[in-house]
Amino acid sequence: GAVVSQHPSWVICKSGTSVKIECRSLDFQATTMFWYRQFPKQSLMLMATSNEGSKATYEQGVEKDKFLINHASLTLSTLTVTSAHPEDSSFYICSARTSPEQFFGPGTRLTVL
Amino acid sequence: QKEVEQNSGPLSVPEGAIASLNCTYSDRGSQSFFWYRQYSGKSPELIMSIYSNGDKEDGRFTAQLNKASQYVSLLIRDSQPSDSATYLCAVTSGTYKYIFGTGTRLKVLA
Repeated sequence: GAVVSQHPSWVICKSGTSVKIECRSLDFQATTMFWYRQFPKQSLMLMATSNEGSKATYEQGVEKDKFLINHASLTLSTLTVTSAHPEDSSFYICSARTSPEQFFGPGTRLTVL
Repeated sequence: QKEVEQNSGPLSVPEGAIASLNCTYSDRGSQSFFWYRQYSGKSPELIMSIYSNGDKEDGRFTAQLNKASQYVSLLIRDSQPSDSATYLCAVTSGTYKYIFGTGTRLKVLA
Protein backbone atom coordinates (compact mmCIF):
# COMPACT_ATOMS: atom_id res chain seq x y z
CA GLY A 1 0.00 0.00 0.00
CA ALA A 2 0.87 3.66 -0.23
CA VAL A 3 3.02 5.10 2.53
CA VAL A 4 2.21 8.25 4.48
CA SER A 5 4.49 9.69 7.13
CA GLN A 6 3.79 12.18 9.89
CA HIS A 7 6.16 14.21 11.97
CA PRO A 8 6.48 14.50 14.88
CA SER A 9 4.98 11.31 16.26
CA TRP A 10 4.43 12.97 19.60
CA VAL A 11 4.82 16.45 21.03
CA ILE A 12 4.39 18.02 24.45
CA CYS A 13 4.05 21.77 24.59
CA LYS A 14 3.06 24.53 26.96
CA SER A 15 -0.32 26.21 26.76
CA GLY A 16 -0.28 29.16 24.36
CA THR A 17 2.39 27.84 22.04
CA SER A 18 1.90 26.75 18.41
CA VAL A 19 2.64 23.30 17.09
CA LYS A 20 3.20 22.29 13.48
CA ILE A 21 2.53 18.76 12.24
CA GLU A 22 3.76 17.57 8.85
CA CYS A 23 2.11 14.94 6.68
CA ARG A 24 3.92 13.50 3.68
CA SER A 25 2.94 10.99 1.03
CA LEU A 26 6.20 9.15 0.38
CA ASP A 27 5.60 7.11 -2.75
CA PHE A 28 2.70 8.82 -4.47
CA GLN A 29 1.31 12.26 -5.17
CA ALA A 30 -1.80 13.23 -3.28
CA THR A 31 -3.96 16.06 -4.54
CA THR A 32 -6.13 15.66 -1.48
CA MET A 33 -5.13 15.11 2.14
CA PHE A 34 -7.36 14.95 5.17
CA TRP A 35 -6.79 15.86 8.79
CA TYR A 36 -8.54 13.96 11.56
CA ARG A 37 -8.60 14.16 15.32
CA GLN A 38 -9.32 11.25 17.62
CA PHE A 39 -10.05 11.39 21.33
CA PRO A 40 -9.63 8.28 23.49
CA LYS A 41 -12.18 5.54 22.80
CA GLN A 42 -13.86 7.63 20.11
CA SER A 43 -13.92 7.35 16.34
CA LEU A 44 -12.05 9.56 13.94
CA MET A 45 -13.39 13.07 13.51
CA LEU A 46 -12.66 14.78 10.21
CA MET A 47 -11.32 18.27 10.77
CA ALA A 48 -10.57 19.46 7.27
CA THR A 49 -9.89 18.54 3.67
CA SER A 50 -6.67 19.89 2.22
CA ASN A 51 -6.25 20.35 -1.52
CA GLU A 52 -2.91 21.14 -3.11
CA GLY A 53 -2.63 24.79 -4.06
CA SER A 54 -5.94 25.89 -2.60
CA LYS A 55 -7.50 26.73 0.72
CA ALA A 56 -8.51 23.93 3.03
CA THR A 57 -12.15 23.11 3.58
CA TYR A 58 -13.00 22.88 7.26
CA GLU A 59 -15.73 20.80 8.82
CA GLN A 60 -18.46 22.49 10.78
CA GLY A 61 -17.32 23.49 14.23
CA VAL A 62 -13.59 23.43 13.44
CA GLU A 63 -11.94 26.81 13.90
CA LYS A 64 -9.97 27.64 10.77
CA ASP A 65 -7.94 30.33 12.54
CA LYS A 66 -6.87 27.88 15.21
CA PHE A 67 -6.06 24.95 12.96
CA LEU A 68 -4.07 26.32 10.04
CA ILE A 69 -3.63 23.97 7.12
CA ASN A 70 -1.23 24.40 4.23
CA HIS A 71 -0.94 22.01 1.31
CA ALA A 72 2.04 23.44 -0.52
CA SER A 73 2.90 20.49 -2.72
CA LEU A 74 1.47 17.21 -3.94
CA THR A 75 3.32 15.34 -1.19
CA LEU A 76 3.17 17.66 1.82
CA SER A 77 0.42 19.08 3.99
CA THR A 78 0.92 20.77 7.34
CA LEU A 79 -1.41 21.40 10.26
CA THR A 80 -0.50 24.13 12.72
CA VAL A 81 -2.34 24.22 16.01
CA THR A 82 -2.08 27.84 17.07
CA SER A 83 -2.17 28.98 20.70
CA ALA A 84 -2.69 25.42 21.86
CA HIS A 85 -4.64 24.75 25.06
CA PRO A 86 -5.06 21.57 27.11
CA GLU A 87 -8.38 20.81 25.40
CA ASP A 88 -6.48 20.54 22.10
CA SER A 89 -4.63 17.52 23.45
CA SER A 90 -5.53 14.67 21.14
CA PHE A 91 -4.31 12.21 18.53
CA TYR A 92 -4.03 13.97 15.16
CA ILE A 93 -3.97 11.78 12.08
CA CYS A 94 -3.58 12.75 8.45
CA SER A 95 -4.49 10.73 5.40
CA ALA A 96 -3.66 11.04 1.74
CA ARG A 97 -5.99 10.03 -1.04
CA THR A 98 -5.19 7.86 -4.03
CA SER A 99 -8.62 7.72 -5.48
CA PRO A 100 -10.74 6.49 -3.94
CA GLU A 101 -8.76 5.01 -1.04
CA GLN A 102 -7.22 6.94 1.83
CA PHE A 103 -3.97 5.91 3.46
CA PHE A 104 -3.30 7.14 6.96
CA GLY A 105 -0.16 8.47 8.54
CA PRO A 106 0.94 7.02 11.87
CA GLY A 107 -0.52 9.95 13.81
CA THR A 108 0.80 12.64 16.12
CA ARG A 109 -0.03 12.60 19.79
CA LEU A 110 -0.27 16.15 21.10
CA THR A 111 -0.21 16.90 24.80
CA VAL A 112 -0.68 20.50 25.89
CA LEU A 113 0.29 21.25 29.46
CA GLN B 1 -27.69 13.07 7.71
CA LYS B 2 -25.67 10.28 6.15
CA GLU B 3 -24.83 7.62 8.70
CA VAL B 4 -22.74 4.51 9.02
CA GLU B 5 -23.53 2.17 11.88
CA GLN B 6 -21.54 -0.56 13.52
CA ASN B 7 -22.03 -2.57 16.67
CA SER B 8 -19.41 -1.29 19.11
CA GLY B 9 -18.81 -4.73 20.61
CA PRO B 10 -16.65 -6.13 21.97
CA LEU B 11 -17.09 -9.10 19.70
CA SER B 12 -15.26 -12.04 21.26
CA VAL B 13 -14.34 -15.09 19.20
CA PRO B 14 -12.05 -18.02 19.97
CA GLU B 15 -8.78 -18.38 18.13
CA GLY B 16 -9.26 -20.15 14.81
CA ALA B 17 -12.92 -19.17 14.47
CA ILE B 18 -14.53 -16.90 11.90
CA ALA B 19 -15.15 -13.33 13.03
CA SER B 20 -18.04 -11.56 11.31
CA LEU B 21 -18.20 -7.78 11.43
CA ASN B 22 -21.15 -5.85 10.06
CA CYS B 23 -21.80 -2.32 8.93
CA THR B 24 -24.95 -0.62 7.64
CA TYR B 25 -25.19 2.71 5.87
CA SER B 26 -28.05 5.09 5.29
CA ASP B 27 -27.26 6.64 1.90
CA ARG B 28 -28.43 4.38 -0.92
CA GLY B 29 -26.19 6.31 -3.31
CA SER B 30 -22.97 5.34 -1.53
CA GLN B 31 -20.32 4.15 -3.94
CA SER B 32 -17.19 2.97 -2.17
CA PHE B 33 -16.76 0.92 0.97
CA PHE B 34 -13.69 0.32 3.09
CA TRP B 35 -12.62 -1.67 6.11
CA TYR B 36 -9.81 -0.41 8.31
CA ARG B 37 -8.14 -2.02 11.29
CA GLN B 38 -6.98 0.18 14.14
CA TYR B 39 -4.86 -1.11 16.97
CA SER B 40 -5.03 0.76 20.26
CA GLY B 41 -2.93 3.92 20.08
CA LYS B 42 -2.22 3.52 16.37
CA SER B 43 -3.69 4.94 13.18
CA PRO B 44 -6.08 3.04 10.88
CA GLU B 45 -4.70 0.57 8.36
CA LEU B 46 -6.60 -0.28 5.18
CA ILE B 47 -7.63 -3.94 4.99
CA MET B 48 -10.15 -4.10 2.18
CA SER B 49 -11.99 -1.93 -0.27
CA ILE B 50 -15.08 -3.03 -2.17
CA TYR B 51 -17.11 -1.23 -4.80
CA SER B 52 -19.59 -3.70 -6.31
CA ASN B 53 -22.07 -6.19 -4.96
CA GLY B 54 -20.77 -9.56 -3.94
CA ASP B 55 -17.72 -10.92 -2.21
CA LYS B 56 -14.10 -9.89 -2.40
CA GLU B 57 -11.45 -12.09 -0.85
CA ASP B 58 -7.90 -11.25 0.21
CA GLY B 59 -6.12 -13.88 2.23
CA ARG B 60 -8.04 -14.53 5.43
CA PHE B 61 -10.31 -11.54 4.82
CA THR B 62 -13.53 -11.45 2.83
CA ALA B 63 -15.58 -8.31 2.31
CA GLN B 64 -19.23 -8.68 1.34
CA LEU B 65 -21.34 -5.89 -0.12
CA ASN B 66 -25.11 -5.87 -0.53
CA LYS B 67 -26.25 -2.52 -1.86
CA ALA B 68 -29.92 -3.46 -1.93
CA SER B 69 -29.85 -4.10 1.81
CA GLN B 70 -27.29 -1.36 2.42
CA TYR B 71 -24.82 -3.37 4.37
CA VAL B 72 -21.20 -4.34 4.09
CA SER B 73 -19.51 -7.01 6.16
CA LEU B 74 -16.03 -8.27 6.85
CA LEU B 75 -15.27 -11.90 7.58
CA ILE B 76 -11.97 -12.90 9.15
CA ARG B 77 -11.21 -16.59 8.84
CA ASP B 78 -8.90 -18.46 11.21
CA SER B 79 -8.93 -15.52 13.63
CA GLN B 80 -5.70 -14.91 15.51
CA PRO B 81 -5.05 -13.00 18.73
CA SER B 82 -3.15 -10.49 16.59
CA ASP B 83 -6.44 -9.66 14.86
CA SER B 84 -7.71 -8.15 18.12
CA ALA B 85 -8.32 -4.51 17.25
CA THR B 86 -11.07 -2.06 16.39
CA TYR B 87 -12.43 -2.43 12.87
CA LEU B 88 -13.72 0.70 11.21
CA CYS B 89 -16.16 0.74 8.32
CA ALA B 90 -15.92 3.75 6.00
CA VAL B 91 -18.20 4.77 3.15
CA THR B 92 -18.07 7.49 0.52
CA SER B 93 -21.23 9.15 -0.78
CA GLY B 94 -20.79 11.62 -3.60
CA THR B 95 -17.51 13.06 -2.36
CA TYR B 96 -14.08 11.73 -1.48
CA LYS B 97 -14.73 12.28 2.22
CA TYR B 98 -15.18 9.19 4.31
CA ILE B 99 -18.12 8.66 6.58
CA PHE B 100 -16.85 6.43 9.37
CA GLY B 101 -18.74 4.10 11.61
CA THR B 102 -17.85 4.16 15.29
CA GLY B 103 -15.98 0.87 14.95
CA THR B 104 -16.36 -2.65 16.31
CA ARG B 105 -13.87 -3.88 18.89
CA LEU B 106 -12.82 -7.46 18.17
CA LYS B 107 -11.22 -9.70 20.79
CA VAL B 108 -9.76 -13.00 19.68
CA LEU B 109 -9.33 -15.29 22.64
CA ALA B 110 -6.29 -17.57 22.70
